[in-house]
Amino acid sequence: DTGVSQDPRHKITKRGQNVTFRCDPISEHNRLYWYRQTLGQGPEFLTYFQNEAQLEKSRLLSDRFSAERPKGSFSTLEIQRTEQGDSAMYLCASSLERRTSGGNTQYFGPGTRLTVL
Amino acid sequence: AQSVTQPDIHITVSEGASLELRCNYSYGATPYLFWYVQSPGQGLQLLLKYFSGDTLVQGIKGFEAEFKRSQSSFNLRKPSVHWSDAAEYFCAVGARAAGNKLTFGGGTRVLVKP
Repeated sequence: DTGVSQDPRHKITKRGQNVTFRCDPISEHNRLYWYRQTLGQGPEFLTYFQNEAQLEKSRLLSDRFSAERPKGSFSTLEIQRTEQGDSAMYLCASSLERRTSGGNTQYFGPGTRLTVL
Repeated sequence: AQSVTQPDIHITVSEGASLELRCNYSYGATPYLFWYVQSPGQGLQLLLKYFSGDTLVQGIKGFEAEFKRSQSSFNLRKPSVHWSDAAEYFCAVGARAAGNKLTFGGGTRVLVKP
């Protein structure tokens, strides 16, 4: 059972450029979550998918951010016109949501560290 | 809305000593509670979780946590710390009604003295 993978692990870009990150969840997991973590803080929720449907977006997710999970497997997070304030670690997590049970357990990938110059 | 408070930003402990990390949460119903650990530049690793049942839960690496509803707390403990336990620890709360998304505390950084 391979874990959650994210690519790239590090990205350095100039302000104004577009960047795209990829997340590959654990294969049988139907839920996929994106979080952002700035230095010295806990992760903050951005958005999540149930299969290919995006069910919720945080107010943190401005119009410059877009996420997709086209076939219910991998997901991409794109940031357009990056700003220095976008510099952070972007974490992806996946879980198996069952109809009959309450909580689910999220397993995290290693993250993508974004630096905007 | 859910919220999590980890009152201690830093804790320094001697190797072999016991460790307790505090976590207080705010949520109207019974939440699902988690502790994750993060090494520098890495993702989060699940230590343990509480969904229901026995309020004392055992996790990996010798950690345990106790859910106390009356105190809205979920404190993490380890009887004897190893140098490899130096890391940042995050408490998180989730709820099915909120899509099971996690709300994290600010984290506690643990330093281990030899």
